[in-house]
Amino acid sequence: GQNIDQPTEMTATEGAIVQINCTYQTSGFNGLFWYQQHAGEAPTFLSYNVLDGLEEKGRFSSFLSRSKGYSYLLLKELQMKDSASYLCAVSQQSNYQLIWGAGTKLIIKP
Amino acid sequence: GAVVSQHPSWVICKSGTSVKIECRSLDFQATTMFWYRQFPKQSLMLMATSNEGSKATYEQGVEKDKFLINHASLTLSTLTVTSAHPEDSSFYICSARPRGLGTDTQYFGPGTRLTVL
Repeated sequence: GQNIDQPTEMTATEGAIVQINCTYQTSGFNGLFWYQQHAGEAPTFLSYNVLDGLEEKGRFSSFLSRSKGYSYLLLKELQMKDSASYLCAVSQQSNYQLIWGAGTKLIIKP
Repeated sequence: GAVVSQHPSWVICKSGTSVKIECRSLDFQATTMFWYRQFPKQSLMLMATSNEGSKATYEQGVEKDKFLINHASLTLSTLTVTSAHPEDSSFYICSARPRGLGTDTQYFGPGTRLTVL
């Protein structure tokens, strides 16, 4: 079956680093996405990984290991505005739909 | 680039009425648009996948006669909630997949908050 797992909630301190993990089991794989969603707003695109390795984009980096069905989103120099839910999603090859994780609520404390 | 708009941003309606939500890709053409629903503190729930010029594909448990989807052009899809009831109150979000891109990246509209009284 299709399954994407990520922690429900994480807490971190302003200025620190946090890693949000995502594991997946899907019938097809055409890439993994990370989205950020602030409360009451729609998700915004953060990153896309289709090859193994680390993709760095400013304070945010995303890593993928296809053989392990594993990804993580790394947030550095945390700011209060980074408090949000972070959604992991996997693209399947067949129908362009994304399979969504339940999201990780990240709480940043001063 | 890759901007998606939704209209209206929020709507309050009486039980039994119908509500139409528009989703537009402003600076790209979208062969595929998706409609999601999200209840408070829950994850996104895909309702249907809409391809331009063809009938939408609905997810299991989503009534196609209640949630009418029309994707008449490469930049516009509409969702009509017919005979709305209080349990239909939710946050409805559309997303669009740009035509011709090599990825399945979806770009989201800002969402429409529907309250049915």
